Order: sequence, then C-alpha cells, then structure tokens
Amino acid sequence: SQQGEEDPQALSIQEGENATMNCSYKTSINNLQWYRQNSGRGLVHLILIRSNEREKHSGRLRVTLDTSKKSSSLLITASRAADTASYFCATVFLGTYKYIFGTGTRLKVLA
Amino acid sequence: DAGVIQSPRHEVTEMGQEVTLRCKPISGHNSLFWYRQTMMRGLELLIYFNNNVPIDDSGMPEDRFSAKMPNASFSTLKIQPSEPRDSAVYFCASSGTGVTGELFFGEGSRLTVL
Repeated sequence: SQQGEEDPQALSIQEGENATMNCSYKTSINNLQWYRQNSGRGLVHLILIRSNEREKHSGRLRVTLDTSKKSSSLLITASRAADTASYFCATVFLGTYKYIFGTGTRLKVLA
Repeated sequence: DAGVIQSPRHEVTEMGQEVTLRCKPISGHNSLFWYRQTMMRGLELLIYFNNNVPIDDSGMPEDRFSAKMPNASFSTLKIQPSEPRDSAVYFCASSGTGVTGELFFGEGSRLTVL
C-alpha cells in the first residue's frame, strides 16, 4: 500500500500542552500536507510543506519534513479543547496528482 | 463563496440498488477527487479528474463503481449494484491551485447499504 503511516494512532493531552504527531511515507514526493477532520465533517487543509523545505510554521502549527527518512511531524503548541479532531498527513507523489492520506492521529485535548 | 457541495449527505439503501452520489466542485477548480473513508481502510483515493478527464481510476474497487465528470461543475460516483461492504463516507474534493495544491473537501455522503 502507498498509504502513509501516522503515529500515534491516538493521543490524549491536557489543554495547554503540546501535541506532536508523526507521519511516514514510502516514495518520493512533491509535497506533504496536513489536514484536520472534526467528527462527522470533511477534511480541512492546515499546512503544506514542499519537498525542498525542512520546516514551516503557521500560527500554533509547526511542521517538519525529513525527506531522507521519508517522515514528517506536526506540532501543535499550547493546545486547546477546540483542537480535538483527527489529523491526517497527505503525500503528493512526484509527477502525479495523487494525494494519498495517512491513517490519521485522533487527538483529544482535555479542558 | 460556496465550498465543495455534495449530495445526498446521507443515503440508506438496500443491497442491489443503484446509488448515485453527486459533487459540485469549487468554481474555477480544475482537479476533482473522490475518496472513500471507512474505519478499517481509512481514506482511500478512488479516482481523480483533471480538466474533466479521468487521470487515474486505479483506486476504484470494482466494476460496480463508475465516475463521470461531464463538465467542470459536476461529477457523479455511481455504484451499481450496491453491497453492504460499500457502506462508507464518500468525499469529493477539488483543487485549483496548480497541480498539487491544497484540497478542498465537501462534507461527505454517508452511505449505508443494508
């Protein structure tokens, strides 16, 4: 399967703590994207990092990419109860339009 | 602006019936994707179109599944005949920012086949 793997599968933290989730993939990519999905809703784009970038920030989000290890991480700082959702990485393979999603991390932030 | 619009939001049908799911992408977007989400298999890419042309349908599970995009503002995913294992949430997404930009998802169509 080309699907990426994410870990942990589930994460439960207290409000104010940081949350880190990881994504690994298998083939060369054009870029990697992170999405969020609230229960019963569609996915919402959070951030995109290109294959020639190593780190990117957006508000409380920090994404890193290590193409030699074929892995990425998403850090959410100072988490809030409203951050409770599932988070997915999506890889876009070189030379294609294919967006392949990982297995997702279910994040629960306790107030 | 309206986002990606999918219909119906919920569909309950009996095994053997034909199911048609509909999608209206964001105006001006030229790429459209159909995904299926289940607990067991996660998000699976079924098919994607670029400029209304199917580019890759290798994710379509069986001949019972077919997808069309007759124009830039409409796509359908049809299952005929439906089976209980087709029960899932089907998402449509569109993209317009170049080849590999951000995907915009609809709210999904939850299909239950009894």
